[in-house]
This record gives sequence, C-alpha cells and structure tokens, in this order.
Amino acid sequence: DTAVSQTPKYLVTQMGNDKSIKCEQNLGHDTMYWYKQDSKKFLKIMFSYNNKELIINETVPNRFSPKSPDKAHLNLHINSLELGDSAVYFCASSQVFGSSYEQYFGPGTRLTVT
Amino acid sequence: AQSVAQPEDQVNVAEGNPLTVKCTYSVSGNPYLFWYVQYPNRGLQFLLKYITGDNLVKGSYGFEAEFNKSQTSFHLKKPSALVSDSALYFCAVRDNGNTGKLIFGQGTTLQVKP
Repeated sequence: DTAVSQTPKYLVTQMGNDKSIKCEQNLGHDTMYWYKQDSKKFLKIMFSYNNKELIINETVPNRFSPKSPDKAHLNLHINSLELGDSAVYFCASSQVFGSSYEQYFGPGTRLTVT
Repeated sequence: AQSVAQPEDQVNVAEGNPLTVKCTYSVSGNPYLFWYVQYPNRGLQFLLKYITGDNLVKGSYGFEAEFNKSQTSFHLKKPSALVSDSALYFCAVRDNGNTGKLIFGQGTTLQVKP
C-alpha cells in the first residue's frame, strides 16, 4: 500500500509547454511538500502546504504553482517550461503537529525538458 | 540560520567493515536530526531520527547514529557494511519554525565493495 504516490514517474516535454505533477498521501499527515533534486543530487524545498494552506514558498519562479485541493493531495503545475526545470521532483508528507516529525517521500517525477 | 554539512562526497568501505558517514549541523536551540537513504532512481527513505533522549539512535537496516551535542555532529554508523548499503545518504535538520521544513546536507555516496 503506497504511502506517498506521484504521477507521472517520467515526464518528457518541450520548452514552453505547461505540465502538472500530482501527489497523494494516504498517511493521514497534515503537511505536504514539494522538493526539487538537481543533477548534482542536491535537494531543495520549493513549497509546503499544511491542511490546504501554503506555509512554505521558497524562492521559486512564479511559473511554478502548487495547489492542494485537500490535505491528502498536492499538485504542482509548471507553466512555460524551461531547460533548467529539468530535474527530479519529489513530493513528501509529514505530521508537523504531533510526535512524528519525519517526512515520507514519494518515488519522484523525472522531468526532462528538451 | 540552520545548516547541515556532510563533509565527504563519497565514502568507500569494504563489505563486512564498519562504516561511518559524517554529518555536522548548525542550529539555534535543540536540533531535530534525520538520516535518509536514496537508492538509484528511487525516492528518499527515512532511516532514523534524533529528537531527544539517548544519544545513540537505532534505525532501519542495522544503521545507527550518534548525536554529539558538543561537536554538533550526528554521524551515521553501521558495524558491518553490506554491498546492498551502497546508496546516497542525506543528513537533515528540521527548521525551527512550525512548518516541518527539513534542511538537507549535500549527500554522501556510500560505495561498499565486495
């Protein structure tokens, strides 16, 4: 039973296109996150939602727009894709308020912009 | 500002030998510390955490980590390495705010040779 799932796993698209990545967690957590892992494997947080409220919005181009329809889902929409957006995008979830602090990660979406 | 450093890009160890992956941190207040492992083309998997209590924390797959407040370190250890332990390891510290944000080190590649 997958805890944090993402679709699609792979995404290949051309510059200028718009694409979305979806994430779902069935852990009952109150907070979800988007991370970007670059080609050097460095992980950087992009956004976070707590119970549908945006609580982290790092320095990310406004072409990136997260949406959380409910606390189990967090989507990432990217407009006007650029070559530099090529990376692996990870969704994660955690229970921020409570005794469990660790985050659980999805399998990642490898985005390739050509 | 909180930060995490993993001073080694790669650690090489022979199978059966003990392994150590180093991590140092800088936080204000009490640190919440985590180790994650990433296998090729997979998401991050939670290994262990230090929140409070005993300085030696035991986690998944036989890994443990030692919290040392005076040296601000949280090194990951395993008494006997397996070839299957070869992966990318991330140390992380939780940000002091209420967002649950994790700040990751740059990662250390562990290579265990038969």
